[in-house]
Amino acid sequence: DSGVTQTPKHLITATGQRVTLRCSPRSGDLSVYWYQQSLDQGLQFLIQYYNGEERAKGNILERFSAQQFPDLHSELNLSSLELGDSALYFCASSVGTGAYEQYFGPGTRLTVT
Amino acid sequence: ILNVEQSPQSLHVQEGDSTNFTCSFPSSNFYALHWYRWETAKSPEALFVMTLNGDEKKKGRISATLNTKEGYSYLYIKGSQPEDSATYLCAFRGSGTYKYIFGTGTRLKVLA
Repeated sequence: DSGVTQTPKHLITATGQRVTLRCSPRSGDLSVYWYQQSLDQGLQFLIQYYNGEERAKGNILERFSAQQFPDLHSELNLSSLELGDSALYFCASSVGTGAYEQYFGPGTRLTVT
Repeated sequence: ILNVEQSPQSLHVQEGDSTNFTCSFPSSNFYALHWYRWETAKSPEALFVMTLNGDEKKKGRISATLNTKEGYSYLYIKGSQPEDSATYLCAFRGSGTYKYIFGTGTRLKVLA
């Protein structure tokens, strides 16, 4: 158990809908990262937050947004969902923004039908 | 476009064999390289974070080396066991960015 929690574990929704994925980092970790794992692709970095502020954006679509709250939990919002958004979404946390180990949550499996 | 490549894509070894695989990354503007172990149906687990050229890190039977000048890192597993079966991922971060670029992984199967 990494200490990072993600909810829900599974999510099935229809195209055009909007969903929110939630992540709670390990106690004491200030950085949160979101990643996407699609069937035919490796892990893709989406976005990083540090202590409530966005630090880096990767291949994140404009239909996706995220935020990190004062209690350090983070939410990833996915809207106008398309079939191609079906993927495993991981959240990871680390103590800071430097070269620290990242601890991954169990992931949320999103299926868009 | 920054590219991180891992080789081989997959390999099968017999229990007790030692094995190694490679992660290649851009040799300029290096900041850090991470290695992860990813078992099926689980999430990636951090193995090593490497930052300095010539770094060698070890955890039990697993060790890693880093050459930032030529842009590669090796992961070694000594005396492979069936429980070592997993996908081994590397992730590169360049200087001046917080973004990570992952390789596609090396899938290791250790046969008993």
